[in-house]
Amino acid sequence: AQKITQTQPGMFVQEKEAVTLDCTYDTSDPSYGLFWYKQPSSGEMIFLIYQGSYDQQNATEGRYSLNFQKARKSANLVISASQLGDSAMYFCAMRSTILTGGGNKLTFGTGTQLKVEL
Amino acid sequence: DSGVTQTPKHLITATGQRVTLRCSPRSGDLSVYWYQQSLDQGLQFLIQYYNGEERAKGNILERFSAQQFPDLHSELNLSSLELGDSALYFCASSVALAGGQTQYFGPGTRLTVL
Repeated sequence: AQKITQTQPGMFVQEKEAVTLDCTYDTSDPSYGLFWYKQPSSGEMIFLIYQGSYDQQNATEGRYSLNFQKARKSANLVISASQLGDSAMYFCAMRSTILTGGGNKLTFGTGTQLKVEL
Repeated sequence: DSGVTQTPKHLITATGQRVTLRCSPRSGDLSVYWYQQSLDQGLQFLIQYYNGEERAKGNILERFSAQQFPDLHSELNLSSLELGDSALYFCASSVALAGGQTQYFGPGTRLTVL
C-alpha cells in the first residue's frame, strides 16, 4: 500500500526566506509520481510541481523546487523567497496505478500549514 | 483557475437526504476523479472515470455512486446522508487514464449534513 508522511504539521518562515517542507513516501510500485499541491484558506487545491520516479533531474517551477531523493524515499518541497501569499496548507501526494481497470489515484499526506511572517 | 468547474459551491442538507454534486472537467480531459476531504480522514480518493467508464475505485461508500456522461461531465450521488458525510468534495481531471499527467482540481463542493 502507498503511504505519504508529512511530519511537520506547522511551519513558520520569514518573508523572503527559503523554506523546506518535508515529505517521505512508501511504495512498492516501480513507477510512480510525486506531486505537491497548495490549499489556501479559500479551499481550492492548486497544483505546484510534479516529479516522476524515473526523472533524473529534480523538478523546478518558478520559486518551487522538488528535492527528490529516491533512495531515501523523500520528495521535499523547497519554496524560495517566501511571500505572504504562500501562507497555506501544503500537501504532498503520490500517484499510483490501480491494476484492476488501469486507472490511477493520488494518495495524500496530512499536510503542512505554512505561515509566512513579515 | 484550473478549468475544472464544480457545482454547487455549498450544499446544506439533512440526514437521510440525497444530493448530487456536479463536475465539468477541463477541456480535452477524459479522466475525472472524485476526492473527499474531511477533518478526521484527510483527503481520500473515491473513484475515477475515464471516457465514461469506471477505472479505479477507492474508499467509496456503497451509499455513494458516480457516473460520467457522454459529454464527459461527472456527477457524484450521495444518498442516506449521515453527519459524518459532511466534507469538502473535490473533482479533479486529467488528460489520460494513467501515466504521469497532472490531476487538476476544481474548487470543491462543501457539503454540510445537519
